[in-house]
Amino acid sequence: QSVLTQPPSVSGAPGQRVTISCTGSSSNIGAGYDVHWYQQLPGTAPKLLIYGNSNRPSGVPDRFSGSKSGTSASLAITGLQAEDEADYYCQSYDSSLSAVVFGGGTELTVL
Amino acid sequence: EVQLVESGGGLIQPGGSLRLSCAASGFTVSSNYMSWVRQAPGKGLEWVSVIYSGGTIYYADSVKGRFTISRDNSKNTLYLQMNSLRAEDTAVYYCARGNGLGATPFDNWGQGTLVTVSS
Repeated sequence: QSVLTQPPSVSGAPGQRVTISCTGSSSNIGAGYDVHWYQQLPGTAPKLLIYGNSNRPSGVPDRFSGSKSGTSASLAITGLQAEDEADYYCQSYDSSLSAVVFGGGTELTVL
Repeated sequence: EVQLVESGGGLIQPGGSLRLSCAASGFTVSSNYMSWVRQAPGKGLEWVSVIYSGGTIYYADSVKGRFTISRDNSKNTLYLQMNSLRAEDTAVYYCARGNGLGATPFDNWGQGTLVTVSS
């Protein structure tokens, strides 16, 4: 069981908007630690998608956005495209565990 | 261009040892936080270890006392020495630049190397 909780799967039609939640606690997200998001396309290594809660690395489309509030964070994807089908992971730091922690991952299906 | 290339994975019996390597190019390993992250088959990501530019090292509880992270500055290469391997260590091991905190997320990843612990 992951310290950060994500829905196992989400889906949406092309062009739609989907959100992926990442729920933590007072020892990680709620303690002020940044949340980062990674995209893992099938059979490939993870790729940094959002860093520092809401920042996009160079090359990441602005269809991807991140936010954080309290003990939770969210990843939003607008204008859904078939190429967005992937697993998405949130990541933060937990002070109780003194460790970097990941969410369990969310599989996005584009219908 | 930043590039990370892992090697050293394979099939190993329980209780055995293996050393993974991660050759870096396009940046200097010793000037950056460098981490190992693993992914068991069909499972999510799990942080394993980090080495800071100053040499400070941290491990996940699941590998503490069994795994050792190190680097060779002359070869610009990161290593993970894995001893007393268990079946639950079976995973794809990725090296990544960064420590996952604040302004230093895992911003570049290698392609991964598969470690299978089985008799």
